[in-house]
Amino acid sequence: DQQVKQNSPSLSVQEGRISILNCDYTNSMFDYFLWYKKYPAEGPTFLISISSIKDKNEDGRFTVFLNKSAKHLSLHIVPSQPGDSAVYFCAARVYDNDMRFGAGTRLTVKP
Amino acid sequence: ETGVTQSPTHLIKTRGQQVTLRCSSQSGHNTVSWYQQALGQGPQFIFQYYREEENGRGNFPPRFSGLQFPNYSSELNVNALELDDSALYLCASSSYSGDTQYFGPGTRLTVL
Repeated sequence: DQQVKQNSPSLSVQEGRISILNCDYTNSMFDYFLWYKKYPAEGPTFLISISSIKDKNEDGRFTVFLNKSAKHLSLHIVPSQPGDSAVYFCAARVYDNDMRFGAGTRLTVKP
Repeated sequence: ETGVTQSPTHLIKTRGQQVTLRCSSQSGHNTVSWYQQALGQGPQFIFQYYREEENGRGNFPPRFSGLQFPNYSSELNVNALELDDSALYLCASSSYSGDTQYFGPGTRLTVL
């Protein structure tokens, strides 16, 4: 059962513009959401997270928005840089030990 | 501070064989989680170990088993390998069960 979905397999944006990566979930019991990015031949790297009691969390160029009523999560990167090109995974946690991942979105930032 | 390391990097096995994958957690972390990432998919939770005890398991059969050692390093064992077990196996450590997880580079397992 795929409880976390990233419906866009890929996204291409121009350097300096905003990148918006989207994620939908079905399980209302999820209490914590995370974004990871993954470069080839490396493990996923933690990027930013948000608790279900918040609707926004910001860290530098990265902002995560949570819309609980729509069961929707998004990651905004602004301005986008070529080094941001990677696969981005949305993840949601149910209990402390079980993290569910989406299939990932490959972001390409063109110079 | 040493990050999460995994060995081996790549492994090729044949159907029916057994395999052991190893993970060293980041310094100061006592919790290790294992994930399977099939091609084109996100990581899927296999199980978690906290202070040498299994602390939760995903939807994987019993032929997937694990261990955690007193130094908090961990092993993932898979018996009776099947072709569908071919995947990237990721280990992640955290300072406690609910904390942010930090991933190793993974072990690429190919089952022929």
